[in-house]
Amino acid sequence: ETGVTQSPTHLIKTRGQQVTLRCSSQSGHNTVSWYQQALGQGPQFIFQYYREEENGRGNFPPRFSGLQFPNYSSELNVNALELDDSALYLCASSLDSGINYGYTFGSGTRLTVV
Amino acid sequence: KQEVTQIPAALSVPEGENLVLNCSFTDSAIYNLQWFRQDPGKGLTSLLLIQSSQREQTSGRLNASLDKSSGRSTLYIAASQPGDSATYLCAVWSGTYKYIFGTGTRLKVLA
Repeated sequence: ETGVTQSPTHLIKTRGQQVTLRCSSQSGHNTVSWYQQALGQGPQFIFQYYREEENGRGNFPPRFSGLQFPNYSSELNVNALELDDSALYLCASSLDSGINYGYTFGSGTRLTVV
Repeated sequence: KQEVTQIPAALSVPEGENLVLNCSFTDSAIYNLQWFRQDPGKGLTSLLLIQSSQREQTSGRLNASLDKSSGRSTLYIAASQPGDSATYLCAVWSGTYKYIFGTGTRLKVLA
């Protein structure tokens, strides 16, 4: 059984550019959630996808968008990058929304915006 | 609005010591609470998941307790080892499709 995999592991982008981060969920998991973790802080919820539909969204602007594919893998897209977008982006998958089985996290993508 | 607090923010202990990490939350209407470990610059590793109907969960040297009425959870680590050095995060699920995280306790176990 493979866990949650994220790519790339590290990324450097220039302010104003766009970025796409990818996540493959754990086998059998149909829900994917994305979190942003700034240095020294706890992860902050961006959004969740369940069976290709957005299932909940945190306090992030519309330039943060996502997709979930039929195989339950997911993408996080960020447009018009700002310096404050520099963070560790974490993907988590679960068998349900997380209410019964909790989350399994990937190892994250470190995004640096310069 | 649910808020999660972890105290202390940092802890340094000698190897072999038993220790307790604390997590408190403001809204007792939670569905579950999960403890995670995070190594520097890495993702989160799930340690223990406690459902709202449970009082505690154990895995090896780790024991987590939950007291919903007082809005508290503790993570007990027995016989600490240098390999336990990491940041420990607790997160509560309040039924809004997301976990709310604390800011973590950074643990250093000295050899």
